[in-house]
Amino acid sequence: GESVGLHLPTLSVQEGDNSIINCAYSNSASDYFIWYKQESGKGPQFIIDIRSNMDKRQGQRVTVLLNKTVKHLSLQIAATQPGDSAVYFCAENISSNTGKLIFGQGTTLQVKP
Amino acid sequence: DAGVTQSPTHLIKTRGQHVTLRCSPISGHKSVSWYQQVLGQGPQFIFQYYEKEERGRGNFPDRFSARQFPNYSSELNVNALLLGDSALYLCASSAAGTREETQYFGPGTRLLVL
Repeated sequence: GESVGLHLPTLSVQEGDNSIINCAYSNSASDYFIWYKQESGKGPQFIIDIRSNMDKRQGQRVTVLLNKTVKHLSLQIAATQPGDSAVYFCAENISSNTGKLIFGQGTTLQVKP
Repeated sequence: DAGVTQSPTHLIKTRGQHVTLRCSPISGHKSVSWYQQVLGQGPQFIFQYYEKEERGRGNFPDRFSARQFPNYSSELNVNALLLGDSALYLCASSAAGTREETQYFGPGTRLLVL
């Protein structure tokens, strides 16, 4: 079936440490992946995306890694800050002519001061 | 710049009623998608519209319908509401609705069915 799964439901890190959030996807045909951040009471906020012809992409304090061999995606956040506390979703778009996104259940990131 | 806007922010209905949710995309965006997010889960795709045409439909019953207007805003309608329809309904917009295009989400409408 359609599913994007995350390995850990909750991740707790110390402020200033690096965070790594992992995600497994099931559709080999997926060619576009996105990470979203969702704070309480808000809609998902775009963080970073990556296409299947890449294995790494960097943004401001964030890096996404894609391993197509094992269908694994990760989001690395450098120098985690209290404002990074939120639920993080990975999403995939399988090969089609639509923008349909398949989301995982999310990982809660808690940043301890 | 205004992002995606949705109205109302909150809504309470009773079983059997119908509801209409509204979405205005980012200026210049022609595609709108609707998602349902049940508490504790990721969003589930309901519909995508581009240039007033339905481009994609998720695994939702016919009680769910939508449309897009000439100004690219959109409505999601749900008839014969069930308790299980209680969720956060999210609207996302993108420029052309293609598969490798960033979708930007609105704040959502929280629907409670009693």
